[in-house]
This record gives sequence, structure tokens and C-alpha cells, in this order.
Amino acid sequence: DADVTQTPRNRITKTGKRIMLECSQTKGHDRMYWYRQDPGLGLRLIYYSFDVKDINKGEISDGYSVSRQAQAKFSLSLESAIPNQTALYFCATSEGSGGVFRADTQYFGPGTRLTVL
Amino acid sequence: DQQVKQNSPSLSVQEGRISILNCDYTNSMFDYFLWYKKYPAEGPTFLISISSIKDKNEDGRFTVFLNKSAKHLSLHIVPSQPGDSAVYFCAASHGSGNTGKLIFGQGTTLQVKP
Repeated sequence: DADVTQTPRNRITKTGKRIMLECSQTKGHDRMYWYRQDPGLGLRLIYYSFDVKDINKGEISDGYSVSRQAQAKFSLSLESAIPNQTALYFCATSEGSGGVFRADTQYFGPGTRLTVL
Repeated sequence: DQQVKQNSPSLSVQEGRISILNCDYTNSMFDYFLWYKKYPAEGPTFLISISSIKDKNEDGRFTVFLNKSAKHLSLHIVPSQPGDSAVYFCAASHGSGNTGKLIFGQGTTLQVKP
């Protein structure tokens, strides 16, 4: 079984609809992240959470919200979807072992392809 | 402002030859760099990393070189294999404070031809 799972894998929705993307992990990591990938722009951080009570905005959080329901679950919501939120969305986890000269390696889920019409 | 840049969107090499993927960064505070590989319909997977106190790290066919003065890193794959065909992302982190955040480049699509 995959360590980081995302549901749904594909979703088509209409402008103005509310949509939730879900992420679950069995790695036992405290830290979880949401990214979106757009052609030519790489992966950009939307929100991240270092534990259940710690939620932080990333570089592109406008139009998104998140919920950390448990250590293993981190959901991303689009309250009112718009076409420029069409993208590939990735959830990632890390154990928080990074520091100076040492990275906190992140492990990614398979992604959710979201299309907003 | 793109702090991590991969200026080549794509690269095509022949099987058995060397693949060189390049990455430039602007923030001198970055102290750790990573390469991720991504196949279609899958999430990125960690490939290799390097600390800023080193200039080279090798793992099998993969070697990452870091030139701090030029703010440039490169990933060498020797010999290249068709299974290496994927999108490669470089990423950088600033470890002070252990923020855990990674800044990614735009990605380079590598095609290895048999």
C-alpha cells in the first residue's frame, strides 16, 4: 500500500463549486504539505502543517483553505473554485528532521488532477 | 520571483550517454539542495541531495555537483537509461529554523532514447 494517498485522483468541477481534496499518510510523519504544479512553474507550496494544531500559509494560499483532522489526514478545500485553479495537486509529508545543512526530505502522494470549467 | 530556476524545459540524450541537468538559485541562504524525479501519473520521488558544505555527492549513476560561488547545481546521470526518462525537479531549502519548506524549480523533462 502507498504511504501517501490522495483522493480523488481526478476531478472535474464547475466554477463556483466547493471542492475538497483529501490526503492520508501511513508514514507517521508530523509534517504535511499541499502543493500545486502548473506547466512551466514547477511545484508551489499552498499550505503546510507541522502538527495538528499548526497550520501555515505557503506562497499561494489565496482561494484555498486546509484542515488537519489528525496526524495522518490533511485536506485542501477550494471554497469557490475558479478556472485558474485547474492544476495538478500534490500532498507531501516529512518527519521534521531537517536543519542547517540537512534537508527534511519530503515524500509525495500520486497527485490529484483538478479541472475547473 | 523564481528563487530556483531550471532554464532548460527539456533535454534529449541517447541511451548510454551522459545526461546533465542544470539548476540555478538566487538565495544565498539556501543550505541544502535536492533532486526529485517524477514519472507521469505519479508524485515526485526523492533522488539525491547535497549539503552546501559539499561540492559533490554521488549515488550510483547519479552525481550532483554544487558550485556555491556561481549559485549553480547540476545532476549528472551516467550512463543514461530509457527508464530515466522523467521530469526532474531541483529544490532548495534553508535549514536555519528547520522550516522544512522546499523551493522547487520549474522542472526539466529528460528523454533518453534507446
